[in-house]
Amino acid sequence: GIQVEQSPPDLILQEGANSTLRCNFSDSVNNLQWFHQNPWGQLINLFYIPSGTKQNGRLSATTVATERYSLLYISSSQTTDSGVYFCAVDPYNTDKLIFGTGTRLQVFP
Amino acid sequence: ETGVTQTPRHLVMGMTNKKSLKCEQHLGHNAMYWYKQSAKKPLELMFVYNFKEQTENNSVPSRFSPECPNSSHLFLHLHTLQPEDSALYLCASSQGGLAGGQNEQFFGPGTRLTVL
Repeated sequence: GIQVEQSPPDLILQEGANSTLRCNFSDSVNNLQWFHQNPWGQLINLFYIPSGTKQNGRLSATTVATERYSLLYISSSQTTDSGVYFCAVDPYNTDKLIFGTGTRLQVFP
Repeated sequence: ETGVTQTPRHLVMGMTNKKSLKCEQHLGHNAMYWYKQSAKKPLELMFVYNFKEQTENNSVPSRFSPECPNSSHLFLHLHTLQPEDSALYLCASSQGGLAGGQNEQFFGPGTRLTVL
């Protein structure tokens, strides 16, 4: 089956720093989502981005489907950005999201 | 708020108990999902329902029994669980099979289950 790899696994930042999270996937996908899981377990939708670039405030994402990767950019990080960031793909338009192992982000004041 | 609610938020049960998890979506979606998140493992899909019909069972043990009475409600019935079933159980919904590829999933807050 499709493999979804995220890097780095852990990231520690000081408030105000910028970061880039990467998601590689091993096959073509029809759907790609980025989520932020807060400390209470809630998965918050960040982007639905099977291809192209989107921006939402301090966050932006780019998916290059032909090269099978997606990037999530966080600018001017805040302590509230802490948590785990997941990339998830639907490889065959079958409504089955396959999740990566996540990037754990810690932002310190 | 994502439009998907789950109850209870926390549950502790013994191995001989029977309990149920409930999920409700207020988004007008047609597909609903159960996922399991164990410590130090990726989220795993358990079940998929499209228009109340089960379309995916990801080799889940029979001690987990899903029920989808309508497109807005999804249950997960639990019986004779094992301690290794302790995990965060997440429900999600999406527009479903007629979405034409625009099938973004939205998640509930989860039920944190502990099996003693």
